[in-house]
Amino acid sequence: EADIYQTPRYLVIGTGKKITLECSQTMGHDKMYWYQQDPGMELHLIHYSYGVNSTEKGDLSSESTVSRIRTEHFPLTLESARPSHTSQYLCASGGTTDTQYFGPGTRLTVL
Amino acid sequence: KNQVEQSPQSLIILEGKNCTLQCNYTVSPFSNLRWYKQDTGRGPVSLTIMTFSENTKSNGRYTATLDADTKQSSLHITASQLSDSASYICVVSDRGSTLGRLYFGRGTQLTVWP
Repeated sequence: EADIYQTPRYLVIGTGKKITLECSQTMGHDKMYWYQQDPGMELHLIHYSYGVNSTEKGDLSSESTVSRIRTEHFPLTLESARPSHTSQYLCASGGTTDTQYFGPGTRLTVL
Repeated sequence: KNQVEQSPQSLIILEGKNCTLQCNYTVSPFSNLRWYKQDTGRGPVSLTIMTFSENTKSNGRYTATLDADTKQSSLHITASQLSDSASYICVVSDRGSTLGRLYFGRGTQLTVWP
């Protein structure tokens, strides 16, 4: 299993709060990804990055934002959380091949 | 439209039994197909990967097959164990972008009963 970490693993917060989901990898991968997954549904790509200072939106529209200041970190931020943001958020990284290694995920609940 | 369809949606089997999960895809151009295992509350972990020229790949008790002509794949689990209870996701990669775009199925939720 690859070295990719996400914190927190679980988060329950109230509406309107600002939150940042952390993702870090120790493999030196240039490519990093954020996916959103609802129960029983497929993963949807919401953000990706080819490297430092490179970020792009994915297929699924998301109100979240990301940054890539360092190769190993790819945090995702929600400025004002809403109940519709309740979901599981998975971070992944990849090197020169298209293999992606996934973190354990953050399960977010917005009340 | 690039899609990945999996069946059945869920499956319950008894410990020690075999089972087969199906995956049909329309992704083009095709690069490779992976089967991932996702335990509850965890991220997916790759089980097998197959390219266009490969039609079978094994990983312990897991054997994946690929028919690139019919765009179908299967994952066969032999002598199931309680720890096999998880969601099994079929993931297809296209050859058309440097992103290495992955297309995910919704998964088959497998439950193994003692």
